[in-house]
Amino acid sequence: GAVVSQHPSRVICKSGTSVKIECRSLDFQATTMFWYRQFPKQSLMLMATSNEGSKATYEQGVEKDKFLINHASLTLSTLTVTSAHPEDSSFYICSARDTRTYGYTFGSGTRLTVV
Amino acid sequence: AQKVTQAQTEISVVEKEDVTLDCVYETRDTTYYLFWYKQPPSGELVFLIRRNSFDEQNEISGRYSWNFQKSTSSFNFTITASQVVDSAVYFCALSEAGAGNNRKLIWGLGTSLAVNP
Repeated sequence: GAVVSQHPSRVICKSGTSVKIECRSLDFQATTMFWYRQFPKQSLMLMATSNEGSKATYEQGVEKDKFLINHASLTLSTLTVTSAHPEDSSFYICSARDTRTYGYTFGSGTRLTVV
Repeated sequence: AQKVTQAQTEISVVEKEDVTLDCVYETRDTTYYLFWYKQPPSGELVFLIRRNSFDEQNEISGRYSWNFQKSTSSFNFTITASQVVDSAVYFCALSEAGAGNNRKLIWGLGTSLAVNP
């Protein structure tokens, strides 16, 4: 089945630094990648939708300059949290839609802690 | 607008009890998909089922079963003879159908299930 590999699974960084999260589709072409953020005991919140080769579409209230998304190839999308602050600490999950099956494949998530 | 409601925030049961997780959805689309995902404490989302809006047949997979009722816009999930390993947060989600890649998933708030020994 379709697999999305997400790295790192866990990262701790200092306030003010930037962190990059990678998601790779291993056995299918992910023309579209969805990036989510999840706070403890809450549902998934869609941050942005990225399409290969074009600019990402951000949801209302999400700062595009803070959460940089790059989707340069059909198998790789990255989310960079720039100048991270403790309030950016969260669980970030990527998801790609497999148009062969109309299913959504999720990465295993990245737990970001900013200290 | 599309919406998914999971009215049960938390459920606690004793092992071997049956438990039903409710999901009610709203959409104006005639063609759509419904999903259930499990999120254990590790955080990774586990796909459980996808149901097309044209397929109202109930489905059973081992101890899991799903009841899809278009008349009441519900897609409920039942775990029979629950086990401790079933403890997790369960999410119901809805998406538009169609070939477009940008079809977003609309998520419910999730139901946290605790199965106690």
